[in-house]
Amino acid sequence: QVQLVESGGGVVQPGTSLRLSCAAFGFTFSNYNIHWVRQAPGKGLEWVAAISSDGSYKYYADPVKGRFTISRDNSKNTVYVQVNSLRTEDTAVYHCTQFEIWGQGTMVTVSS
Amino acid sequence: EVVMTQSPLSLPVTLGQPASISCRSGLSLVHSNGNTYLSWFQQRPGQSPRRLIYQVSKRDSGVPDRFSGSGSGTEFTLKISSLEAEDVGVYYCMQGTHTWTFGQGTKVEIK
Repeated sequence: QVQLVESGGGVVQPGTSLRLSCAAFGFTFSNYNIHWVRQAPGKGLEWVAAISSDGSYKYYADPVKGRFTISRDNSKNTVYVQVNSLRTEDTAVYHCTQFEIWGQGTMVTVSS
Repeated sequence: EVVMTQSPLSLPVTLGQPASISCRSGLSLVHSNGNTYLSWFQQRPGQSPRRLIYQVSKRDSGVPDRFSGSGSGTEFTLKISSLEAEDVGVYYCMQGTHTWTFGQGTKVEIK
């Protein structure tokens, strides 16, 4: 079945870190750029980061530059995003996607 | 960052009637390769987003033909020719020419 499955979310304190993972199934993962898109509770979609199919190009939205690092392992069909120095405004559901396929998301809650 | 501005933000529509959503970008979305990377997504309540349209007017597989996209440069439109109950949700435009940016979303509901 063609799908993306995110994991790694949780409830954390401000200033801490998490690593989110996105595992791909059912399609040729190494052919696709992969994106992380987040959605804060009751808010709209916000593009966060992207990585090219071979991992050589990485892009970040301004609010997360310097704090988030995207990477991928094509041998494991998995994309990661290391999220550091978390802020309360990073609270959101984080989806991975290649825009045609979306994961169900993993919730990150940053709260003291 | 390229700002994407949608209007209206709320759109009540009678079942069977047409609906139209506008999306305006702060920069031309024509890429140097000649393509225009403007997509439309639907997000039904409680679900992940679903892409409906890419490159302005190309419908994704399985998307009903009552959905159509048009536009060029900085002005784009999503049209639903005849609203059905399953179309209720929030619709987002997204540009992919200058990295990526979403519009604020338009909530479509039954009048």
